[in-house]
Amino acid sequence: HSALTQPASVSGSPGQSITISCTGTSSDVGKYDHVSWYQHHPGKAPKVMIFEVNKRPSGVSDRFTASKSGSTASLTISGLQADDEADYYCCSHGGSGFPFVLGTGTRVTVL
Amino acid sequence: EVQLVESGGGLVQPGGSLRLSCATSGFNFRSYAMTWVRQAPGQGLEWVSVISHGSMSTYYANSVNGRFTISRDDSKNTVSLQMNSLRADDTAVYYCARVVDSGYYYEGWFDPWGQGTLVTVSS
Repeated sequence: HSALTQPASVSGSPGQSITISCTGTSSDVGKYDHVSWYQHHPGKAPKVMIFEVNKRPSGVSDRFTASKSGSTASLTISGLQADDEADYYCCSHGGSGFPFVLGTGTRVTVL
Repeated sequence: EVQLVESGGGLVQPGGSLRLSCATSGFNFRSYAMTWVRQAPGQGLEWVSVISHGSMSTYYANSVNGRFTISRDDSKNTVSLQMNSLRADDTAVYYCARVVDSGYYYEGWFDPWGQGTLVTVSS
């Protein structure tokens, strides 16, 4: 089962908005509303930012929003801040025999 | 507070074995599926394995299937990953995470994650 496809890098200035895409197939992202997003600062434990396509865990800033259209999920970070600089990964249920499939990861740089 | 602490990483020769453990606290361990995810140097996160609550189901990534075995001890609130026939490309930081779901575990998400333990496979 192939990894979900994300852009390698996305950048933006403080205060701007950026969007990270996560492209799968009709067998994973396109079929299930079980997409989650994770923020990973190098050397630290990854942290869930979004679950079930567009739900935010308590404590996660509302600057993080997400959606899905067809086989592509998206994470938008609004009001970009320095601390948002990290790697971001999407994850989806992959269907029978493939409980989870992760994305290739996107490095977000705050200019 | 929910806590996950991995241990057991280290340097091992190609073809060798290693057993990772993840000690948990702060939640009803037996009610949750648990998973392992790894990150090779300079690479992205890769899902490795998952075990359902009650050990009813286990799944593995193709890259480790047949070499790795996930297990859990509900009496000790720990999940383990037995890694055999290790290869250089198994070198990575290994994270354990709790799987939270609203229905079936394979529809869930990972929260929280541990800090990881480094496995280095080299001669």
